[in-house]
Amino acid sequence: GESVGLHLPTLSVQEGDNSIINCAYSNSASDYFIWYKQESGKGPQFIIDIRSNMDKRQGQRVTVLLNKTVKHLSLQIAATQPGDSAVYFCAENFAPGSARQLTFGSGTQLTVLP
Amino acid sequence: KAGVTQTPRYLIKTRGQQVTLSCSPISGHRSVSWYQQTPGQGLQFLFEYFSETQRNKGNFPGRFSGRQFSNSRSEMNVSTLELGDSALYLCASRPSTADGEKLFFGSGTQLSVL
Repeated sequence: GESVGLHLPTLSVQEGDNSIINCAYSNSASDYFIWYKQESGKGPQFIIDIRSNMDKRQGQRVTVLLNKTVKHLSLQIAATQPGDSAVYFCAENFAPGSARQLTFGSGTQLTVLP
Repeated sequence: KAGVTQTPRYLIKTRGQQVTLSCSPISGHRSVSWYQQTPGQGLQFLFEYFSETQRNKGNFPGRFSGRQFSNSRSEMNVSTLELGDSALYLCASRPSTADGEKLFFGSGTQLSVL
């Protein structure tokens, strides 16, 4: 079946810089996308979501961009802090109109350097 | 409001045994989903329950089963354990199964099969 994938498994950024984490999805029928953050020893924590009728959504220090033309999703983190170090997952809400489930990408490890 | 609670936090079993994991959702949440997380396969959907009924099931063998009680608490069971069942099992809840309802995850049960 179709799945969500990530371009890079690891990303290192300097503290204070902006981070961009990318995600490619293949199911054109998916209409809802979510970003989760998972710290070591914890479950995934919701960051931000976006519906397919939107191109951009902003939260506190985070922005999600959706490009349906190329089936691409990105998460931008402004002024990255040490506490942002974690694995980031994108997920798509699969199978509109029927029993839904979240399909997760493989994750990107973000490391914030001092 | 308390988050999703999973018990036990850690579990060690041997091949051939069976195991039961427990999940208490956020108060008021009626949908409970289970995911398996491994380094090699990432987060994979097991099943989702709503109002004591299984609404959706992932691609796992019949050794994996679950149930939900009238108070929305859920259990999942794995019978005849195999080494490959070693994983972090995550429970997530949401208010309903309506579109756009994000999942709230617990910290998981780390199962080790020896």
